[in-house]
Amino acid sequence: GAGVSQSPSNKVTEKGKDVELRCDPISGHTALYWYRQSLGQGLEFLIYFQGNSAPDKSGLPSDRFSAERTGGSVSTLTIQRTQQEDSAVYLCASSLEQGVRELFFGEGSRLTVL
Amino acid sequence: RKEVEQDPGPFNVPEGATVAFNCTYSNSASQSFFWYRQDCRKEPKLLMSVYSSGNEDGRFTAQLNRASQYISLLIRDSKLSDSATYLCVVIYGSASKIIFGSGTRLSIRP
Repeated sequence: GAGVSQSPSNKVTEKGKDVELRCDPISGHTALYWYRQSLGQGLEFLIYFQGNSAPDKSGLPSDRFSAERTGGSVSTLTIQRTQQEDSAVYLCASSLEQGVRELFFGEGSRLTVL
Repeated sequence: RKEVEQDPGPFNVPEGATVAFNCTYSNSASQSFFWYRQDCRKEPKLLMSVYSSGNEDGRFTAQLNRASQYISLLIRDSKLSDSATYLCVVIYGSASKIIFGSGTRLSIRP
């Protein structure tokens, strides 16, 4: 499809395991954002990429979280040694340029840490 | 204080009613403002931009008050399909900082 694609859509893991979440942005979109949303809560900003570089990593909650983007396209969010409080929906969004009005969101990856 | 604050609701109004809610922001350097809509267990989608002069899109009107640092969304003649969470979005700084409010839940009853 032509939209933002995220995988897996659902992930259940045990506390202490590592997980990788993938985001495939819309082709040609240079800006990519990761957010997370806990049940009934708003969107918490995690990290922003412009091309392959991440000028703003201020939202990553701890050093267990990391993200990379390669080829100006696919991005991977990695959570090491998952904790129960990491359980949330992780949303990826892309836009044509930095700060452009419309963010296009993927359907999210729902992470449950047991 | 949160950078972007919204009344969480829920607002429960009858079909056909007019409903309005506000969103306040703390950073006066904020540059751009938007309203997004999020249906239950779905991803957010852009509803409309918010301009200083105000803008209207059908039954929806958005306004910005820079002096008081708030934006508003007015929905006229509400429909059942308007039931959703409405997220206020503020962009400031280098424009890489896109901050979402926690959302206002709206429920339209028949």
